[in-house]
Amino acid sequence: ETVLTQSPGTLSLSPGERATLSCRASQSVSGSYLAWYQHKPGQAPRLLIFGASSRATGIPDRFSGSGSGTDFTLTITRLEPEDFAVYYCQQYGNSPLTFGGGTKVEIK
Amino acid sequence: EVQLLESGGGLVQPGGSLRLSCAASGFTFSNYAMSWVRQTPGKGLQWVASISDSGVSSYYPDSVKGRFTISRDNSKNTLYLRMNSLRVDDTAIYYCAKRPGGAVAGAFDSWGQGTLVTVSS
Repeated sequence: ETVLTQSPGTLSLSPGERATLSCRASQSVSGSYLAWYQHKPGQAPRLLIFGASSRATGIPDRFSGSGSGTDFTLTITRLEPEDFAVYYCQQYGNSPLTFGGGTKVEIK
Repeated sequence: EVQLLESGGGLVQPGGSLRLSCAASGFTFSNYAMSWVRQTPGKGLQWVASISDSGVSSYYPDSVKGRFTISRDNSKNTLYLRMNSLRVDDTAIYYCAKRPGGAVAGAFDSWGQGTLVTVSS
């Protein structure tokens, strides 16, 4: 199966700063079928990015995704207070579907 | 607005069974593939099962194949997950999630808030 490794495990930043999250796959993700989700405790996960770089409906443009093959990045420019959460990458190009272990973005 | 509401979680002994439900609203349920995803403390998020819009096709990872069965009742706008031979490592929050089309493909564009399943003696 395709193992997704996210780094760093925790990112400590202040509001207004830029966050750069990495997701590395153990093998090439077919079709760049890579998604990013935001998850806050007690809430439903929210789709941010699909197809590596396409923003989901209603997602602010401060969220952007990039990458292909085995290396993918989620960038959040100018962190807002509501952006502090755990972020997961997921690949849906190879079977079985797999998720990364998550990056927690916390307030510094 | 898409709403997915899971229910049916609880405490069950190892080897036991449980059926989860997910009531869907805010979209034409019969037009979309659906899935179950779980979150465990040790292994994070894990895909559990997927089913096509009509219910004809279903898919599972090896970890649950033969023990879990996904199904749907499009007349009731409800998704199900039957879990048999439960093990301690099946303990997790179980989420239902919607796919963007009728085929089992694409990212999970809407999720429920989850239901907790605890497998313990």
